[in-house]
Amino acid sequence: DVKVTQSSRYLVKRTGEKVFLECVQDMDHENMFWYRQDPGLGPRLIYFSYDVKMKEKGDIPEGYSVSREKKERFSLILESASTNQTSMYLCASSQGQPQHFGDGTRLSIL
Amino acid sequence: GEDVEQSLFLSVREGDSSVINCTYTDSSSTYLYWYKQEPGAGLQLLTYIFSNMDMKQDQRLTVLLNKKDKHLSLRIADTQTGDSAIYFCAERMDSSYKLIFGSGTRLLVRP
Repeated sequence: DVKVTQSSRYLVKRTGEKVFLECVQDMDHENMFWYRQDPGLGPRLIYFSYDVKMKEKGDIPEGYSVSREKKERFSLILESASTNQTSMYLCASSQGQPQHFGDGTRLSIL
Repeated sequence: GEDVEQSLFLSVREGDSSVINCTYTDSSSTYLYWYKQEPGAGLQLLTYIFSNMDMKQDQRLTVLLNKKDKHLSLRIADTQTGDSAIYFCAERMDSSYKLIFGSGTRLLVRP
């Protein structure tokens, strides 16, 4: 079974802080993804990576950056957190099809 | 444009069949997916279908794809209270890795 592990289930940070969300997968997948899910909506893609050090913007990249230094790990960075980034963040990985998701990180920015 | 639409809510009695519907707009979709999300949790992959297939069955789950009408459905046989959750339909276009999700259908199973 594919295991996608997100480092925190719940996180509370302050406005202006630099925030790191970490994701690790154990299946040697090429592709990793970060999505954001707001209440009443489906997930929306922030960034994805198709190889180490390779990344592409998704639909809502503003205010975020990513890092993929090792194949198994994909980090989402909020450079200067703002209250409108309070949301559920979902990491996924895939090798072709389909995408497998982690349990999510519920991030609150105060 | 890219758009996936689902009805918001479905309520069924335990033991009945549930049918959750989804429509999508992009004819270049290659794969279509159904994910389940329980409260406060991530997305659990239920099943997916390649666009050249009409139907896929996996135990209690049956997926039907009408490519002409761009309509996807998920039928859950013998629905149980543990099936209560939000169900998301998603499509993947031919030229992209990304998934486009609907807003989800909340399924409530009444005892």
